[in-house]
Amino acid sequence: GIQVEQSPPDLILQEGANSTLRCNFSDSVNNLQWFHQNPWGQLINLFYIPSGTKQNGRLSATTVATERYSLLYISSSQTTDSGVYFCAGTGTASKLTFGTGTRLQVTL
Amino acid sequence: KAGVTQTPRYLIKTRGQQVTLSCSPISGHRSVSWYQQTPGQGLQFLFEYFSETQRNKGNFPGRFSGRQFSNSRSEMNVSTLELGDSALYLCASRKAGGSYTGELFFGEGSRLTVL
Repeated sequence: GIQVEQSPPDLILQEGANSTLRCNFSDSVNNLQWFHQNPWGQLINLFYIPSGTKQNGRLSATTVATERYSLLYISSSQTTDSGVYFCAGTGTASKLTFGTGTRLQVTL
Repeated sequence: KAGVTQTPRYLIKTRGQQVTLSCSPISGHRSVSWYQQTPGQGLQFLFEYFSETQRNKGNFPGRFSGRQFSNSRSEMNVSTLELGDSALYLCASRKAGGSYTGELFFGEGSRLTVL
């Protein structure tokens, strides 16, 4: 199956700072998604982005499918952005393979 | 519209017991998949059901099983519980069709503690 690498594993930012999270895939993927896991464990959908660029408020994402990576940009970070961010994708079957996550802490 | 609903949200069992978790997908979604999240192994795929048939299965022992009903609701069962089965179990649904494309939406999870 595909392998998913996320970087950095941990990130501490001051409120207002910008950040870039990266996701690398070992093979071609479909159904690439970014999630934010809230403190109660629920995975909140951020982007469904098999290719191209999308923006939603302070968040945006870019997937370059031919180079097997995706980036999540967080601008003007807020304390509510804290949590774990996961990227995930499927290979040739339906199973979604997750990265190990980036733990983000935004401080005042 | 209502999201993916999982019950129960929290449960405590003892070793050797069995547990059944339930998942109701988003209305109109026909594919349901299950994931296990533990601190050591991260998020791992358990299985996926579509039209009452298991379509894909992860690398878990036979103690983990599931099924899907005609209304797309799904249950997963873990028999002979072990301490290592303590985890957050997440259910996800997708509109799906014959292909494997489409966005997944997750429920809030069922947190299982095995004592």
